[in-house]
Amino acid sequence: NAGVTQTPKFRVLKTGQSMTLLCAQDMNHEYMYWYRQDPGMGLRLIHYSVGEGTTAKGEVPDGYNVSRLKKQNFLLGLESAAPSQTSVYFCASNPGLEHSNQPQHFGDGTRLSIL
Amino acid sequence: QKEVEQDPGPLSVPEGAIVSLNCTYSNSAFQYFMWYRQYSRKGPELLMYTYSSGNKEDGRFTAQVDKSSKYISLFIRDSQPSDSATYLCAMSAMDSSYKLIFGSGTRLLVRP
Repeated sequence: NAGVTQTPKFRVLKTGQSMTLLCAQDMNHEYMYWYRQDPGMGLRLIHYSVGEGTTAKGEVPDGYNVSRLKKQNFLLGLESAAPSQTSVYFCASNPGLEHSNQPQHFGDGTRLSIL
Repeated sequence: QKEVEQDPGPLSVPEGAIVSLNCTYSNSAFQYFMWYRQYSRKGPELLMYTYSSGNKEDGRFTAQVDKSSKYISLFIRDSQPSDSATYLCAMSAMDSSYKLIFGSGTRLLVRP
């Protein structure tokens, strides 16, 4: 059972380039989340989804877009990468409202550097 | 002011010591409280989870929540070098999105 899988694990981009980070979960979870983690800032929520076909903004959504076309996948897109988006990105999932007392499960992150 | 405050450390203790990690928060709506452990270059993994106030024990780990003081703690007994990691507190209000608010993390080093 893989849990939450993130690809790629590491990527270097030039300013202005675009890319998509993929998150896949095999636990049939309804809710999925994208966070970024920066030194001294903890994890900050970028976007989240409470079900297939839904997305919502988190704390720091600017410069990112997301899509949840399939229940098991949550994509995070950077349209025009900026150095300020250099960070470690984590995806997480949660069973959903009827299991709202269940905590989130995390992937191992994608390290993204923007030059 | 951040919603959740956590001392970044690093906290260095000898093997076998009792470790106390703490977070304070400002939002009285928080109902769910969690502690995650994060090893270098890995994702956070859940250690302890509590709902509302009180204590919860799991092996060498004890989580305490004091909602009146808006203060949560994680105690690690008989600390081991393998406990060396960053510990993140997280909390959530009871709403339909189950969004977590994280502390910035405390780095712990347990010396052999």
